[in-house]
Amino acid sequence: EDKVVQSPLSLVVHEGDTVTLNCSYEVTNFRSLLWYKQEKKAPTFLFMLTSSGIEKKSGRLSSILDKKELFSILNITATQTGDSAIYLCAVPSGPNFGNEKLTFGTGTRLTIIP
Amino acid sequence: ETGVTQSPTHLIKTRGQQVTLRCSSQSGHNTVSWYQQALGQGPQFIFQYYREEENGRGNFPPRFSGLQFPNYSSELNVNALELDDSALYLCASSRPGGTQYFGPGTRLLVL
Repeated sequence: EDKVVQSPLSLVVHEGDTVTLNCSYEVTNFRSLLWYKQEKKAPTFLFMLTSSGIEKKSGRLSSILDKKELFSILNITATQTGDSAIYLCAVPSGPNFGNEKLTFGTGTRLTIIP
Repeated sequence: ETGVTQSPTHLIKTRGQQVTLRCSSQSGHNTVSWYQQALGQGPQFIFQYYREEENGRGNFPPRFSGLQFPNYSSELNVNALELDDSALYLCASSRPGGTQYFGPGTRLLVL
């Protein structure tokens, strides 16, 4: 059964700090790894990673995948209070399209103190 | 915003009742997936619908059932509600094999 483990479960930092969130996975047929941000209800899509060593970047957020060691990290630099959220990591799987099912980790709850 | 809508936003039911949750997919998406997110947990896959057929199911009992309509909107039905069914129910739409985009969810409380 596919498995995704995120760490830390919770993180509290001051505005301006840099944070690193971790995600390790075990999946039978790896296709990609996804990061989502969940502020109140709807998880919003951040990144999809498919290749090792290639950094994806969006503003102050960046992410990288290591397919040999089966993990990914999400970095947020110069954090702002608007970055406070739960960050979810997920791997898709399925026999038909390969993404019927997303297996999520429990998430990392990030709190930014002004 | 993703263009995925869900209704209702909140719902309170009692044990043993039945509930129907609704989801409209984003324009151009013909696949809808449903997830249950309990407090403090990541979303758990319930099932996916494609072309009005169930296209994959997670570890949920048969009292969780669904439908997809020709306009690609979808319903999640839960019979014989239990206290543990209290959760945030999320739907996500996608193209086949594409990234899933989530709606705002329905928060269900079972008393």
